[in-house]
Formats: sequence, C-alpha cells, structure tokens
Amino acid sequence: KAGVTQTPRYLIKTRGQQVTLSCSPISGHRSVSWYQQTPGQGLQFLFEYFSETQRNKGNFPGRFSGRQFSNSRSEMNVSTLELGDSALYLCASSPGTGGKDEQFFGPGTRLTVL
Amino acid sequence: AQSVSQHNHHVILSEAASLELGCNYSYGGTVNLFWYVQYPGQHLQLLLKYFSGDPLVKGIKGFEAEFIKSKFSFNLRKPSVQWSDTAEYFCAVMPDSNYQLIWGAGTKLIIKP
Repeated sequence: KAGVTQTPRYLIKTRGQQVTLSCSPISGHRSVSWYQQTPGQGLQFLFEYFSETQRNKGNFPGRFSGRQFSNSRSEMNVSTLELGDSALYLCASSPGTGGKDEQFFGPGTRLTVL
Repeated sequence: AQSVSQHNHHVILSEAASLELGCNYSYGGTVNLFWYVQYPGQHLQLLLKYFSGDPLVKGIKGFEAEFIKSKFSFNLRKPSVQWSDTAEYFCAVMPDSNYQLIWGAGTKLIIKP
C-alpha cells in the first residue's frame, strides 16, 4: 500500500505570495489532517477534513485554508505569506472513523518564505 | 486549554541504558494517547497508542508506555536503548470529543554508541 504523499517537497516563496500544498492520502483513508511544524512552536494542528468537509480546525488565521476532493486528496493554501509561515507542513491520513485511528504521516513540504 | 507537556527536550544516553520519557497532559475528559517517533530524515511514525483497558501498552521496537490516569501521565519506557533509537519522540493526545491531535514539544534522544 502506498503511503501518504505530499507535493512539492520543497518550496521557496516571498512575502505576500500565496502557496498551495497537496496531499494524497493512503488509499481508502477518508480523513486528512494538516499540521505545521516549526522549531519554536513544535507541531500544531491546522485542520482536518473528512468526506470533503472540514471537521475540525486549529487556531490559525484565515490566511490558512484547505479543501478536500471527492477522492480524499487534500490541498492547503496559505495566502499573503509571512516570514513566520516558514515551516514544515505535514499531512496525515487516517480511516476517519474516530479518535482511535492511527494517523499516517507524509514526508512533509518544507516551505521557506523570504 | 488542552496541552501536552514533555519534561525533557534533550536526552543523551549510552547504549544499553534504560530510558524513560515523561509526558503529562491537561484535559479533564476521555483521551486517546499516542507516542510518535521521527527518525532522522524519516516520516513521523506511530510507536504505540492507548485507548482503553490495560494501562501498560507495548509498541514497536521494545517500547512500552504506562497510562496513569490520576497523574494525567503517559510515560514512555525502554529497558535497554540502542544507537538506532536516536530520534525525536513526540507525545500526543486526542480528546475523544474531536479529531485534533495535541502535541508535546518533543524530546530529542541521542544514544552514544
């Protein structure tokens, strides 16, 4: 079974630009969660999608948004990039049946904002 | 607010030493508990999890963890570490009421050969 894939793996953007990151979950998984990982703040939950609906959202500004498609693939978008958005963005997928699901993580997208 | 605290940010041990990494959480309701590991250059992967039942759970690679409800703790242990255990270890909590993993800051473990 193929794992969670994320594209692109690395991105360099400048302040004010916007960026879209993509995540393909494990086949059959309906839940996709996004996390931001930084040295200062650690791992922080962004949002979770299940069956094309945002089911849960963390404490991030509205510049961070996401969506999920009917094939469970998910994208997240960050608009008006700030220097502080530089981070590793991780996607995780799970069956989505409940809190007892194990989440499987992708390799992440390393975003650098200059 | 819900939070997870990992007591040590960096731990250095020699091979064959015993390991215990602390994890405490603050949440009054039912939680599901996880330990994840991130080896250098690799994805986050699940070490072990606790949902209910026996509070002593065993995971991969000889790791185990004990859930002590009265102390809101879920400490990770391994009796004898190996050089290959060098990694960053994360404790995470998911309240039963939502699907949001709340993470500890992580502990970087270095094993000296």
